Amino acid sequence: DIQMTQSPSSLSASVGDTVTITCRASQGISTYLAWFQQKPGKAPKSLIYSASSLQSGVPSKFSGSGSGTDFTLTISSLQPEDFATYYCQQYNSYPFTFGPGTKVDIK
Amino acid sequence: QVQLVESGGGVVQPGRSLRLSCAASGFTFSSYGMHWVRQAPAKGLEWVAIVSYDGNNKNYADSVKGRFTISRDNSKNTLYLQMNTLRIEDTAMYYCAKISGRDGDNEIDYWGQGTLVTVSS
Repeated sequence: DIQMTQSPSSLSASVGDTVTITCRASQGISTYLAWFQQKPGKAPKSLIYSASSLQSGVPSKFSGSGSGTDFTLTISSLQPEDFATYYCQQYNSYPFTFGPGTKVDIK
Repeated sequence: QVQLVESGGGVVQPGRSLRLSCAASGFTFSSYGMHWVRQAPAKGLEWVAIVSYDGNNKNYADSVKGRFTISRDNSKNTLYLQMNTLRIEDTAMYYCAKISGRDGDNEIDYWGQGTLVTVSS
């Protein structure tokens, strides 16, 4: 199975900051990588697919990059509604696996 | 707009069975594959299973293989998850999720709100 890791596990940031979250796969997954945002008590929301493509309706402040084993999610100009937990997921091969999540909270 | 509404969750004893449903609307259900994803209390997301648009192809996480069965009824626009021989560790919020269908890839674009399954004696 492909193991996904994320770093950091949590971070504190201020409104207006730009943050970057890293996701690493234990083996190459090309660009079969998605990012999701989840707020407490809510269902996840899809942000990015194919490592760098925005889902419909997702603002361009979210951006993704990477291929192979190393990926990043960058959130620019953090706003209060962006404080949440972010997960990566590989869908290159079964079983599909998620990273453990990165919690972004307010400094 | 796309709507996915899960139901069927509840409290069940270890070893018993439960069937979850996910009613889909706002898109042509029979054209898209679907996932189940779960989340144990205060834990991360765990992928559970996937079914193709026609129900002919399925895959499962190792943790549920042989105990859970994903299926669909395209005439009813409904996805199912039959869960047998439930364990304490199956306690979680269960989400159904739609595959985007772009380029034949399996990424998720929409999620339901989830249904809670609690396995407890």
